[in-house]
Parts: sequence; C-alpha cells; structure tokens
Amino acid sequence: NAGVMQNPRHLVRRRGQEARLRCSPMKGHSHVYWYRQLPEEGLKFMVYLQKENIIDESGMPKERFSAEFPKEGPSILRIQQVVRGDSAAYFCASSPQNKGNTEAFFGQGTRLTVV
Amino acid sequence: EDKVVQSPLSLVVHEGDTVTLNCSYEVTNFRSLLWYKQEKKAPTFLFMLTSSGIEKKSGRLSSILDKKELFSILNITATQTGDSAVYLCALKGSNYQLIWGAGTKLIIKP
Repeated sequence: NAGVMQNPRHLVRRRGQEARLRCSPMKGHSHVYWYRQLPEEGLKFMVYLQKENIIDESGMPKERFSAEFPKEGPSILRIQQVVRGDSAAYFCASSPQNKGNTEAFFGQGTRLTVV
Repeated sequence: EDKVVQSPLSLVVHEGDTVTLNCSYEVTNFRSLLWYKQEKKAPTFLFMLTSSGIEKKSGRLSSILDKKELFSILNITATQTGDSAVYLCALKGSNYQLIWGAGTKLIIKP
C-alpha cells in the first residue's frame, strides 16, 4: 500500500496562473480531506469529499478554489488566478470511512509558492 | 464553536528530559481526539483517544484523555533529538471534521 500520494511536491506559479494539486488516497479509502498549512500555523480544514461528492466545503474560500474527487482518478484541488497569499503547504488525507474512531492518513503535501 | 488549544506553543528541553504537552478542547459532540507528529513533512499519526482515563502507549510516548475536564496530555520520556517536531492535537467533533490546534513546537537539545 503506497500510502496517500500527492503531486507535485513543489509547485511554483506566477500570480494569476492556475494551480492544480493532486491527491491519490490510500487503496480502499473513499474519503478525502484537504488542509492548508501556512508557515508557523496549524492545519486548517478546507474540504471533505467522497467519491463524486463534496460533503463539506465550509473551510474553502468561495472564490477561486474548487475541489473534486471523480469516480476514477485522484482528487484535485484547483486554485484559479493564484495570489501571493495562496502560498502554503496543502495536505491531503484519506480515510476508509468517516466514523469517530477512524484516523486519517496524510500525504506528503504540496508546497505551493506564488511568485 | 468547537476549538482546540495546545500549550505550550514551544518548548526547549535537553535530551533525556521528560516532557508533557497539553491539549484542551471545547466541542459540541465529541467523537475522538488525535495526536500527530509533524516534522518537515506530513503529520504522522501517533494516537487516537476516545475514552477517558485509558492510557495509550507507544514506546516512550504515551497519552491520556480526560473527557470531564476536556483535555489530553502527550508525554514523552527520555527524550531524544529525533523527537524534535511539532506535535499536533486534533479533535473530531459532530461534523467529523478534524479541528486542529496550533501545535507545540518541541526542540530537544543534545
């Protein structure tokens, strides 16, 4: 089991460009969570998805940010027209279910730098 | 509003010391409390606690939950330089999101 795979590990974008971050959950996991971590800060929840469904996007900015988890393929976090403030580490986690007694496993993260 | 507060925010000790990290919380509907260790990469899972008073142990690390006083502690005995990391506490509440504390940055000096 390869674990949660995120790519790319590092992404540099100019202001105004689009950033696409990919997350392949662990085998058998159908629940995906995206978090953002700013330097020297804790993780902030962004969005929770199951296959083909967005369950909770309350932590995701309404503008420019979107997420999907299609039936086939990885989950994608998409940031349009990036700004300097989007620079952060974006972590994806997956779990087999979303009950109270299930931990989530994290990917290595994508470090986005907007120049 | 559910929230998690960790203390101290940072801690510097010498190798061999014992440390206790604190995590207090407020939650509408408690599901579980989790501890993670984060070095310069993804958080790695340490413990999940759901019941009061039952200590979870893994080598030199242990953790316990007090659901009456709404806190958890993470203990590390005989610390080593490899224990240097940010330790994150997260709460799973009624909507199953993980709510994270800001973390405790632990530095172990040789």
